[in-house]
Amino acid sequence: DIVMTQSPDSLAVSLGERATINCKSSRSVLYSSNNKNYLGWYQQKPGQPPKLLFYWASTRESGVPDRFSGSGSGTDFTLTISSLQAEDVAVYYCQQYYSTPQTFGQGTKVEIK
Amino acid sequence: EVQLLESGGGLVQPGGSLRLSCAASGFTFGKYAMTWVRQAPGKGLEWVSVISDSGGATDYADSVKGRFTISRDNSRNTLNLQMNSLRVEDTAVYYCAKGLSGNYYDVCDIWGPGAVVTVAS
Repeated sequence: DIVMTQSPDSLAVSLGERATINCKSSRSVLYSSNNKNYLGWYQQKPGQPPKLLFYWASTRESGVPDRFSGSGSGTDFTLTISSLQAEDVAVYYCQQYYSTPQTFGQGTKVEIK
Repeated sequence: EVQLLESGGGLVQPGGSLRLSCAASGFTFGKYAMTWVRQAPGKGLEWVSVISDSGGATDYADSVKGRFTISRDNSRNTLNLQMNSLRVEDTAVYYCAKGLSGNYYDVCDIWGPGAVVTVAS
């Protein structure tokens, strides 16, 4: 199974400042035949189901604000919030869908400093 | 509006069985793979199972393999999860989710509100 490891487990960022979450996979999730990274990012707020933010590592889902960006390839990926807003307080998860069983990172809790 | 709604959750004793269902609306159900994901209290997300658009392919997490069975009825726009030999560690909110683009290996773009399953004596 592919193990997904996020860092940090939690971070506190001032409003308007940058938040960076890292995600590392135990094996590459880059599929050579189509050059796509099978990596997604989700946001989950308390009491709500997850919300898809990115797929193919960097393709923003419709309606996601452009202060969110996804990057990386192979085994190392990053989710960046360029200017943290109050509504961005949540837990963020990466997920590989390169192979089954699909696996999630343990989550990163983002709070306001 | 695209919607998913889980049902069938509840309290069950260890060793018991429960069947979750997920009613889909607002999209062509039979064109998309569907997934179950669970979340134990205070914990992260755990992928449970996936079924292809036709129902011809399925996969399971090791933690539920041999005990859970995913199925779908495309004529009724319904996804199911039959859970047998339940354990205390199966206690979680169970979400059904729709694949984004119709591929078997896919992210999930639409999620239901979740069904609570509690396994306790």
